[in-house]
Amino acid sequence: DGGITQSPKYLFRKEGQNVTLSCEQNLNHDAMYWYRQDPGQGLRLIYYSQIVNDFQKGDIAEGYSVSREKKESFPLTVTSAQKNPTAFYLCASSTEGGIPYEQYFGPGTRLTVT
Amino acid sequence: DQQVKQNSPSLSVQEGRISILNCDYTNSMFDYFLWYKKYPAEGPTFLISISSIKDKNEDGRFTVFLNKSAKHLSLHIVPSQPGDSAVYFCAASGGWGGTSYGKLTFGQGTILTVHP
Repeated sequence: DGGITQSPKYLFRKEGQNVTLSCEQNLNHDAMYWYRQDPGQGLRLIYYSQIVNDFQKGDIAEGYSVSREKKESFPLTVTSAQKNPTAFYLCASSTEGGIPYEQYFGPGTRLTVT
Repeated sequence: DQQVKQNSPSLSVQEGRISILNCDYTNSMFDYFLWYKKYPAEGPTFLISISSIKDKNEDGRFTVFLNKSAKHLSLHIVPSQPGDSAVYFCAASGGWGGTSYGKLTFGQGTILTVHP
């Protein structure tokens, strides 16, 4: 079955530690995205990548880093510089050729930093 | 600067009645609008979309209306069912070449509760 997988579903880290969230898709989509969701807020774009080996900052990129070495994978690293890392993180992908702008989402990773 | 706003945090309706969820936007460069549905602890799933060249798009029980002059869109669900209870997000994207092309800007979401 095609889809997007994010692992793990729940992640706990101590303050000051970097942590990497995994996102893999087998939909053959070119574009991938990372969002975070906080209570009572919509999804905010962290980083996105339209093609392998290229990515752009979204609206709240500070304290995060990404890589796009493979089409299927777009890992997100939450660094110790991120002031409020506790959130629900969502990965998405989309194709340039299908319904424009429609993004398919993974199940999310809830990160708790204490 | 919230470019996409859903001013109603929650909506409660009776099963079988109509649910109307509203969304306003400020960026006139947006030309494609989508609605997503989200259950707790899950990723959003695409529901319905509309291009700025249309004012209505229908898919089964779901209809999206777009009023470009008012920069307003709405999602109508008729008839509403208990399984529709979820958070609904509207999202917008810009056309080719614009700064918002390929990116979605989301509203804050509206929690819909459909009572049996």
